[in-house]
Order: sequence, then structure tokens, then C-alpha cells
Amino acid sequence: EAGVVQSPRYKIIEKKQPVAFWCNPISGHNTLYWYRQNLGQGPELLIRYENEEAVDDSQLPKDRFSAERLKGVDSTLKIQPAELGDSAVYLCASTTGMLSNEQFFGPGTRLTVL
Amino acid sequence: SQQGEEDPQALSIQEGENATMNCSYKTSINNLQWYRQNSGRGLVHLILIRSNEREKHSGRLRVTLDTSKKSSSLLITASRAADTASYFCATETSYDKVIFGPGTSLSVIP
Repeated sequence: EAGVVQSPRYKIIEKKQPVAFWCNPISGHNTLYWYRQNLGQGPELLIRYENEEAVDDSQLPKDRFSAERLKGVDSTLKIQPAELGDSAVYLCASTTGMLSNEQFFGPGTRLTVL
Repeated sequence: SQQGEEDPQALSIQEGENATMNCSYKTSINNLQWYRQNSGRGLVHLILIRSNEREKHSGRLRVTLDTSKKSSSLLITASRAADTASYFCATETSYDKVIFGPGTSLSVIP
């Protein structure tokens, strides 16, 4: 069974540029998470989807971040415009839909904003 | 502020020794999970313990939960160099949120 796929693995951009990350969760997993992980810290939730509905986006900086999960499968996270402080690893995770299930994480996208 | 806080922040031990790391949290939880993260990789689920459980084992892992003290511990017995990683506790709160702590960095020296 394929795991959670994320692309790109690395991205370097200049500040004020837009950037997008893509995530393909495990087949059949209804719940999808986007996290941001700063160096030496644990993941911080940005947004959680149940199918195509964003059920928790309270931590998403909506002035510059946006996300979508069309058809309840793949998801895209976008930052526009990027700031220096957005440099981090962006992780995608999925579960079958029950919060008590383990989360399966992708390898992440390491974003560097210059 | 963090819901979960791991202790210590960093731990260095010799191969074969046991490693213990702790997690404290602030609010009521439904369950607590431990994850491992190797350098440059995503997190991998290790074990989940529910709020009505006190101890759980999986291979060389032993997890305890003390809800009265709002704390959990992860014990890795007979450590190996391959156990070198960061370990995170994640609490699922009554508000349907899963919150990760800052992690413990474990180094196992061959």
C-alpha cells in the first residue's frame, strides 16, 4: 500500500513569491491534515479536512494561506505571498476518519524563503 | 502554549541502555499517542494509549499514562542505534484536537 505522497520535497523561493504544496493521502483515508513543523518543534496543525470539508482551520493564517481538497482526495496548500517566517517543513497526514486512529504522515515539503 | 510538553528535550544514551522520556499535558484527553521522527522524514506512529488505560506494551516500547498527574512516559528498552530519532507525544483532547508536543531528541551511541 502506498503511503502519503507529498510534492515537492524541497522548495526554495524568494519572499513575496507564491508557493503551493500537494498531498495525495492514503487511498480510503477520509481525514487529511496539513501541519507546519518548525526546526526543533513538533507539528502544528494548520487545517483538517473530513472528506472535502475543512472542519478545523482555526490555526490557518487566512490572510496568506489557503487550502483546498477537491473531490475529497488530493489536497493543495498555498501560500501567497510567502514571508521569511514561513520557512518550515509542511507535513501532510491522513487517517481513516476516526480521530482516535493513528495518523500516517508524508515525508513533508521543506520550504526555504529567502 | 503547548498542550503536551516532553521531557527531557534531549537524551543521549549508550546502545543497550533503556531510554525514558516523559510527556505532560494540561487538559483532559481522550487518548495519547507517541510518534517517532527520523531526521528529514515524516512522523511514524508508535503506540496509542486511551484515557482509561494505564499501561501498554508494543515490542520494546512501554507506555504509561497517569491521568491524575496528566502525564505519560515512553520507555524504550535495550536501545539500538536505529532508535536515534525525535519522539513526540500527541494528545487528542475532548475538543477533537490532536496536539503535538515539542519532542525529545534521542541519540543512541553505538
